Amino acid sequence: AQSVTQLGSHVSVSEGALVLLRCNYSSSVPPYLFWYVQYPNQGLQLLLKYTSAATLVKGINGFEAEFKKSETSFHLTKPSAHMSDAAEYFCAVSDQSGGYNKLIFGAGTRLAVHP
Amino acid sequence: DTGVSQNPRHKITKRGQNVTFRCDPISEHNRLYWYRQTLGQGPEFLTYFQNEAQLEKSRLLSDRFSAERPKGSFSTLEIQRTEQGDSAMYLCASSLDSPGNTIYFGEGSWLTVV
Repeated sequence: AQSVTQLGSHVSVSEGALVLLRCNYSSSVPPYLFWYVQYPNQGLQLLLKYTSAATLVKGINGFEAEFKKSETSFHLTKPSAHMSDAAEYFCAVSDQSGGYNKLIFGAGTRLAVHP
Repeated sequence: DTGVSQNPRHKITKRGQNVTFRCDPISEHNRLYWYRQTLGQGPEFLTYFQNEAQLEKSRLLSDRFSAERPKGSFSTLEIQRTEQGDSAMYLCASSLDSPGNTIYFGEGSWLTVV
């Protein structure tokens, strides 16, 4: 069965510091992986996705993530945090066992950015 | 592309009342999804439609919940005899039906049951 674990429900960084949000997945078949961002009282916006092409995926707002099959990980990074990056971030998986019909989300990581 | 539209955005209802949420997907998208999100949690899958056919329902979708998508366009999610545990944000999303296609989310409908 598909599942996603996001390590750290809260992450706090200083403005300009590296952002690293961790995501590990469980899937019996090659997965598709996604990172979404959610601002307060809003829906989810796609940051980036991995669909079996290049393992290093670049997304919007300077974020990128690397698919590592051996580690079953898909960590999200950004070299330099901005105040506007403060939000909740969700990792999600979709795979053939579910017919690629739905996303299974992790519990989320709330990112705080301090001046 | 006007995005996924949901209404109402907020609904406060008394326990035992029925509520209905509407979702208008992106016009060319034939897949439509409903998710539920409670505070501090990630979205949980409820159900999805391929055109007008409801193809999968989660065990979270009790008998009090019903979703429809007549004519494969907009969708409604009705909750009958609401309970306090139904308080959550209900998210609608849509996509094309190819694997890996981006799923676009609406801004959600907040339900508070008092």
